[in-house]
Amino acid sequence: LAKTTQPISMDSYEGQEVNITCSHNNIATNDYITWYQQFPSQGPRFIIQGYKTKVTNEVASLFIPADRKSSTLSLPRVSLSDTAVYYCLVGDLGKDSNYQLIWGAGTKLIIKP
Amino acid sequence: DADVTQTPRNRITKTGKRIMLECSQTKGHDRMYWYRQDPGLGLQLIYYSFDVKDINKGEISDGYSVSRQAQAKFSLSLESAIPNQTALYFCATGSGSSYNEQFFGPGTRLTVL
Repeated sequence: LAKTTQPISMDSYEGQEVNITCSHNNIATNDYITWYQQFPSQGPRFIIQGYKTKVTNEVASLFIPADRKSSTLSLPRVSLSDTAVYYCLVGDLGKDSNYQLIWGAGTKLIIKP
Repeated sequence: DADVTQTPRNRITKTGKRIMLECSQTKGHDRMYWYRQDPGLGLQLIYYSFDVKDINKGEISDGYSVSRQAQAKFSLSLESAIPNQTALYFCATGSGSSYNEQFFGPGTRLTVL
């Protein structure tokens, strides 16, 4: 099973760019890398997903090196409302896959004023 | 996301009792999932369903059962609740080719005494 390793916690300040790196040395060929955000007492919310190189959407960027053994979620110009737990997942929930998506303990990001 | 609702939101029950958690969605998604989350940890998949007639066990299905009554409804049952099933339970939905992108409900906090 592909496992992920993330920092337990991080803090930063409003307006800064925040990068959270995730290690996944045993990532399989068919695995995607997916990031979720979770606020207290709420369900997780999908942020971004990628397979290789760089993916960008309206809220974040995801950088994946060629060996795919790690990935970095980049949050531009964070605000206090970005304080949350961020989960890095690897796996593939597709119907023809092994259907494994491993959730680690996540990174608790605290944004300070 | 209000498109995925869970009832009840909170429940306290006693050891040995049968309990049902319900999930409904108005998103029209074909895939539905049940997860549990223990304090400070990531999510673990209990059961998942690709459509009404396709139900599969996840990584921690022992002690749980599910019913997909319709495309929009997916219920989770604990036949005989035990204290270590005390957790936060999330229902999620998905659709399309992005299998790792899921939409989560608000969660049910279950306490088994």
